[in-house]
Amino acid sequence: NAGVTQTPKFQVLKTGQSMTLQCAQDMNHNSMYWYRQDPGMGLRLIYYSASEGTTDKGEVPNGYNVSRLNKREFSLRLESAAPSQTSVYFCATSADLIAYNEQFFGPGTRLTVL
Amino acid sequence: AQSVTQLDSQVPVFEEAPVELRCNYSSSVSVYLFWYVQYPNQGLQLLLKYLSGSTLVKGINGFEAEFNKSQTSFHLRKPSVHISDTAEYFCAVSEGGSEKLVFGKGTKLTVNP
Repeated sequence: NAGVTQTPKFQVLKTGQSMTLQCAQDMNHNSMYWYRQDPGMGLRLIYYSASEGTTDKGEVPNGYNVSRLNKREFSLRLESAAPSQTSVYFCATSADLIAYNEQFFGPGTRLTVL
Repeated sequence: AQSVTQLDSQVPVFEEAPVELRCNYSSSVSVYLFWYVQYPNQGLQLLLKYLSGSTLVKGINGFEAEFNKSQTSFHLRKPSVHISDTAEYFCAVSEGGSEKLVFGKGTKLTVNP
């Protein structure tokens, strides 16, 4: 089992370009999350999805959109990238949207916006 | 609103020495507490968690943490570290019933030979 996979691993964009980060899981989990990690800032929640067809904003949603395509896949879209969105993006999953369920993380996507 | 403070951004230690990584949280209600580890160029993985019951929690790789409600702390300890423990460690909290985790800013542990 691959667990949580993310594509691409690395990406360089110019300001104003758009792109979609893909996340897929084979753990049969209901809940999925997108975080960004910046040096000295820890992880901050961008969006999450409790189940297929539902999404909710996290702490830092501005400039992003998400789609829960099906139970396995949760994508993050940057419509018009800005240098402030340079970061490492992590997708995570958990069995259910309950606080004490362990979250499982993908390997991350390192994004640079010039 | 809940918040998490990791008091040390970097902790250098020698191999086989003990280590303590400190974490304090603020919350007015009951909380669940977690420690995650991130090895270089990888995602995060769970070390241990406190939900209820015994305040001393044991995790993977010989780590343990103690929940102290009066001091609102959840410090991570290991009696003897290895080179392979070099990583960044994140403390996280969720208020009882909340679906969201709030992470601290992380502590980089460097174990030197």
